[in-house]
Amino acid sequence: NAGVTQTPKFQVLKTGQSMTLQCAQDMNHEYMSWYRQDPGMGLRLIHYSVGAGITDQGEVPNGYNVSRSTTEDFPLRLLSAAPSQTSVYFCASSYFPGLAGGSSYNEQFFGPGTRLTVL
Amino acid sequence: AQSVSQHNHHVILSEAASLELGCNYSYGGTVNLFWYVQYPGQHLQLLLKYFSGDPLVKGIKGFEAEFIKSKFSFNLRKPSVQWSDTAEYFCAVNGQEGFQKLVFGTGTRLLVSP
Repeated sequence: NAGVTQTPKFQVLKTGQSMTLQCAQDMNHEYMSWYRQDPGMGLRLIHYSVGAGITDQGEVPNGYNVSRSTTEDFPLRLLSAAPSQTSVYFCASSYFPGLAGGSSYNEQFFGPGTRLTVL
Repeated sequence: AQSVSQHNHHVILSEAASLELGCNYSYGGTVNLFWYVQYPGQHLQLLLKYFSGDPLVKGIKGFEAEFIKSKFSFNLRKPSVQWSDTAEYFCAVNGQEGFQKLVFGTGTRLLVSP
C-alpha cells in the first residue's frame, strides 16, 4: 500500500493564481481531511469528507474548495491564491467510526505534505 | 470551541535526560487524546493514544503519557531521550466537535543534543 500520497511536494504561486493540491489514498478509507500547518499554530482543519459526495467545512475553509467524487481522491482547490495561504498542507485519511466516542475513533494516517508559497 | 494548549514551544535536552511535554485541553466531556510526532522532513505519525481505561498509556519508542481528567491534562513523558527523538510533537484531542475531527495543539519542537 502506498498509504496517503500528495502531489506536488512543493509549489510556488503568484497572488491570484489558482491550483489544485492532490491527495489520494489506497486504504479504502471513508474519511479524508485537509489540514494546514503554520508555525506556532499547529494543524488546523480546512475541509473534510466522510465519504464520496459528502464534504464539510473545518476550522479555516475560506479560500479553499474540495470535492469527493471517489473514495480514493480528495483534491483541495485554491481559487485565488493569497500570501496568507502560504503554508504546509497535509491530507489525512481514516476509516469512519460507526459510533461516537471511545474505541470508535480510527487512527488518521497523514500524507507527506505539500509546501506552498504564495508570492 | 475545543482547544489544546502546549506550553513548551521549544525544548532543548541532552541525551539521556528525561522529557515531559505538557498538554492541556478545554473540553470537559468525553474525549480521545493523542500525541503525534513529526520528524524533520517527514509527515505526522501517531505516537500514542488514549480512549478509555488505564490513564497511563504507552506508545512507541519508549514514550508514555498520563491522562489526568481532573487537570484536563495529557502530558507526554520519556525517561531518557535520544538524539533520534529530535522532532516536533503535537498533542491532539477530539470529542466536542465530533470524534473524527482532531484539534491540534501548537506543537513543541524538541532538540536533543548528543
